[in-house]
Amino acid sequence: QKEVEQNSGPLSVPEGAIASLNCTYSDRGSQSFFWYRQYSGKSPELIMFIYSNGDKEDGRFTAQLNKASQYVSLLIRDSQPSDSATYLCAVTDSNYQLIWGAGTKLIIKP
Amino acid sequence: DGGITQSPKYLFRKEGQNVTLSCEQNLNHDAMYWYRQDPGQGLRLIYYSQIVNDFQKGDIAEGYSVSREKKESFPLTVTSAQKNPTAFYLCASSMGGDKRTQYFGPGTRLLVL
Repeated sequence: QKEVEQNSGPLSVPEGAIASLNCTYSDRGSQSFFWYRQYSGKSPELIMFIYSNGDKEDGRFTAQLNKASQYVSLLIRDSQPSDSATYLCAVTDSNYQLIWGAGTKLIIKP
Repeated sequence: DGGITQSPKYLFRKEGQNVTLSCEQNLNHDAMYWYRQDPGQGLRLIYYSQIVNDFQKGDIAEGYSVSREKKESFPLTVTSAQKNPTAFYLCASSMGGDKRTQYFGPGTRLLVL
């Protein structure tokens, strides 16, 4: 069974601090890794994707990938109340289909 | 504006009734997907299509049907065989190949009367 695991949270972070979200996956053949943000009652929106080991930065967001340890993380710097949402991790399997985690609920406290 | 549209935003189903959810995209994407999301849960794949006139079952296809007669359109029918259809239904599309970044429509919330 191919799985993507996320801590369901909620993860509570003070405004202005760094929020760290983690995701582990079981399929060693996975090639592409995605982070989506989903506000309550809305559809998921893509934050960023990463394909290679290491870090990828986009504004306040940094994705980190470690294929040897089979984890991918998302760091949010200078957290804002508007970052409060559920963050979904998705990973492609060896057939390039996405496997989804259940999401981590993030709460940024003013 | 390029994007994915879903209609209706809310849909009410009576017992024994089939209902159809619409999904249209003008992104020229080859692949389209239907997901179901229950409260507090992740996304579960119902059906997907990688090319016109072809589609495959996902993890929870029972009680659902789809068609892909046009590249732009991928309607989902929730049949009377689906006994617990109340959920948030999400349509997504992606390019083909090995990247598969999926983009989502706004969703349809289905409720049973």
